[in-house]
Amino acid sequence: AQSVTQLGSHVSVSEGALVLLRCNYSSSVPPYLFWYVQYPNQGLQLLLKYTTGATLVKGINGFEAEFKKSETSFHLTKPSAHMSDAAEYFCAGYFGNEKLTFGTGTRLTIIP
Amino acid sequence: GAVVSQHPSRVICKSGTSVKIECRSLDFQATTMFWYRQFPKQSLMLMATSNEGSKATYEQGVEKDKFLINHASLTLSTLTVTSAHPEDSSFYICSASGQNFYEQYFGPGTRLTVT
Repeated sequence: AQSVTQLGSHVSVSEGALVLLRCNYSSSVPPYLFWYVQYPNQGLQLLLKYTTGATLVKGINGFEAEFKKSETSFHLTKPSAHMSDAAEYFCAGYFGNEKLTFGTGTRLTIIP
Repeated sequence: GAVVSQHPSRVICKSGTSVKIECRSLDFQATTMFWYRQFPKQSLMLMATSNEGSKATYEQGVEKDKFLINHASLTLSTLTVTSAHPEDSSFYICSASGQNFYEQYFGPGTRLTVT
């Protein structure tokens, strides 16, 4: 069965430090993978996506992610955290059907 | 980018009443719309998928007679929570996809509180 796993429900980093949010998937078919951000009481905003082609994808707000098939991973990174990055982040995947499968989310806290 | 709106953003209703939530794609035609429910500090749970002009497909465990979904046009889907109870209180989020079926655009969500 297909699944998306986010390691770490809470991540705290200092302002200016590297942000690393982990996402692993399980799938028998090539996945399409997404990272979304959710601010309190709001919907989800697409940060970036991987479908085919280049495995390093860049998104909005300075975020990027690398699809690593051998590791079944799609970790999200940002070189330097800003206070405005504090939010909930969801990794999600399409695995050959119409539905998005979501991870459980990671709450990112930025320490001033 | 594609914009999806939801109305209302917040609603409070009394137990036993029904409430309707609208989801609109503002600048594209949404062939498929999705309804999610999100509990506090949890991920999104897909409730149902609807295609324009067709009956919605509900996920296992979701009562289709309680959560009525209508997708009458390519830009509008509605979710009606019938005979609402306090346990229906939640954050409801819709999304829509167009030509790229795998790319969903999310609405801002509706906070439902049943008293």
